[in-house]
Amino acid sequence: DGGITQSPKYLFRKEGQNVTLSCEQNLNHDAMYWYRQDPGQGLRLIYYSQIVNDFQKGDIAEGYSVSREKKESFPLTVTSAQKNPTAFYLCASSMRRWGASQPQHFGDGTRLSIL
Amino acid sequence: ILNVEQSPQSLHVQEGDSTNFTCSFPSSNFYALHWYRWETAKSPEALFVMTLNGDEKKKGRISATLNTKEGYSYLYIKGSQPEDSATYLCAFHTTYNFNKFYFGSGTKLNVKP
Repeated sequence: DGGITQSPKYLFRKEGQNVTLSCEQNLNHDAMYWYRQDPGQGLRLIYYSQIVNDFQKGDIAEGYSVSREKKESFPLTVTSAQKNPTAFYLCASSMRRWGASQPQHFGDGTRLSIL
Repeated sequence: ILNVEQSPQSLHVQEGDSTNFTCSFPSSNFYALHWYRWETAKSPEALFVMTLNGDEKKKGRISATLNTKEGYSYLYIKGSQPEDSATYLCAFHTTYNFNKFYFGSGTKLNVKP
């Protein structure tokens, strides 16, 4: 079945540690996204990528980094510079069709907590 | 950052009730509005993509309307069932940044049997 796989489901980070959240899709989508959700808030965009080897900062990119070396994969690293990393992280992907807005497909999310 | 408001934040209804909720967004530079359903322990699932002013979309007992001039969309559920219990999210994007979506915080619907 086609879909998006995020791993791990739960992740714990120690102070000063970088952690990487995995996101893989087999939908052949060009665009991929990372969102963060905090209690009572909407999804906020961290980074997005429209094509391999290219990505742009979203609204809350500070303290995060990404790479897009393969079409299928868009890992997110939460660095030690991110002072409040405890949140729920969602990865999404969509097709790119000029002139037509495409729905996003989401993974199941990763919940990150500070130890 | 563009502001997307959803109301109410939560809603409790009885099985069989019809219900509706609102998504408000900036009306300038509008490109498209999406509705998603997010059930507990699952991933969000797309319901509708709406682009034209006056658009109406329907999927079973769920329908949505769009007013781009005044910046709002309504989602209606007719004869709510317990399986409709979920958080309903709206997201929109603009003509000047096609790939950047702005999400509301959602309306959490609980349908009691």
